[in-house]
Amino acid sequence: AQSVTQLGSHVSVSEGALVLLRCNYSSSVPPYLFWYVQYPNQGLQLLLKYTSAATLVKGINGFEAEFKKSETSFHLTKPSAHMSDAAEYFCAVSDHYGNNRLAFGKGNQVVVIP
Amino acid sequence: DTGVSQNPRHKITKRGQNVTFRCDPISEHNRLYWYRQTLGQGPEFLTYFQNEAQLEKSRLLSDRFSAERPKGSFSTLEIQRTEQGDSAMYLCASSLGLDRETQYFGPGTRLLVL
Repeated sequence: AQSVTQLGSHVSVSEGALVLLRCNYSSSVPPYLFWYVQYPNQGLQLLLKYTSAATLVKGINGFEAEFKKSETSFHLTKPSAHMSDAAEYFCAVSDHYGNNRLAFGKGNQVVVIP
Repeated sequence: DTGVSQNPRHKITKRGQNVTFRCDPISEHNRLYWYRQTLGQGPEFLTYFQNEAQLEKSRLLSDRFSAERPKGSFSTLEIQRTEQGDSAMYLCASSLGLDRETQYFGPGTRLLVL
């Protein structure tokens, strides 16, 4: 079964600094990969997704992620953190058996320090 | 497009009581998913529907859980004889039904079992 690993549950970043959240996946077939963001007491909002087209994917709010097959990674980055980026971020991989269920990582809680 | 809605947003119940949650998907979406999210974890897949047919249930979904989607529109998730371990955020998502398409999440129902 597909799975993703996100290390470091809490990530602190200074305002204006680079945001880097790591995601490694396990999949027996070419994966579809997603990054979602969750603000307190809200559902998940899609940031970006990889669907086997371009390996560098640009998303909303200035985020982007690069798919690297050789490293089985799909790390999320943003060049300059903003206070509004404080949230929880989840990486997910889509099941390929037809039901499209998502397998999520444990998430990264991002804290932005002014 | 009003997005996915879920009701109620919060539910507090006593152990042993039954609870029912409702999800209204985006109108043209024919796939509907239920996930459960516990504190500090990513969402975990529970079940999904293609139109009115429930096509898969996770082993996380014990016999106390039942989900329906009459007429392929809204869905309900019922938990009978609630236990404290059922306390979690219950998330609903919908998609058009194309292979590996983006799932759009609702705000969730937060359940607390006392």
